[in-house]
Amino acid sequence: AQSVTQPDIHITVSEGASLELRCNYSYGATPYLFWYVQSPGQGLQLLLKYFSGDTLVQGIKGFEAEFKRSQSSFNLRKPSVHWSDAAEYFCAVGAPSGNTPLVFGKGTRLSVIA
Amino acid sequence: EAGVTQFPSHSVIEKGQTVTLRCDPISGHDNLYWYRRVMGKEIKFLLHFVKESKQDESGMPNNRFLAERTGGTYSTLKVQPAELEDSGVYFCASSLRLDWKYEQFFGPGTRLTVL
Repeated sequence: AQSVTQPDIHITVSEGASLELRCNYSYGATPYLFWYVQSPGQGLQLLLKYFSGDTLVQGIKGFEAEFKRSQSSFNLRKPSVHWSDAAEYFCAVGAPSGNTPLVFGKGTRLSVIA
Repeated sequence: EAGVTQFPSHSVIEKGQTVTLRCDPISGHDNLYWYRRVMGKEIKFLLHFVKESKQDESGMPNNRFLAERTGGTYSTLKVQPAELEDSGVYFCASSLRLDWKYEQFFGPGTRLTVL
């Protein structure tokens, strides 16, 4: 069965510092991988996705993620965090066929301090 | 273009009562999904409509939950009777095609509290 692990429930970083949010998945083949962000009062917004090809994917808001097949990981990174990045971040995995549901991790809440 | 909307944004009811949540997908999106997030847990899939038909309802917790999508437009999710464990945030999402290359757009969610 597919599963997603986000080991960090809550992370606090200083504004301007770099960020890495961890995501590990369990899936029999190469899945489609996603990162979503949820700001307070908002729905989930897609940050980036990986389907195939280049293992380093660029997303919106200056985020990037790297797919590492050997580690079953898809960590999200940002070189310099802004206060507006404070939100909850979700990693998700989906079967390439699209006919099975997305499986989400439990989320990582990011706090940004001055 | 309007995004996915959900109503109400919050609902507080007592155990045993009935609640109906509504989702309006993006116009033209045939695929509509319901998810739920219980506090501190992962977002879990409930069911998937393609137009007015239930494509997959494997995530529905029990028969107290009833989802409909009359005419293939908006959808409702009714919980009757509500139990304490039904508390959580219910998200709706829609997409144009049944393919993850087509983005799922999420609504802001309905926070349900059962007392």
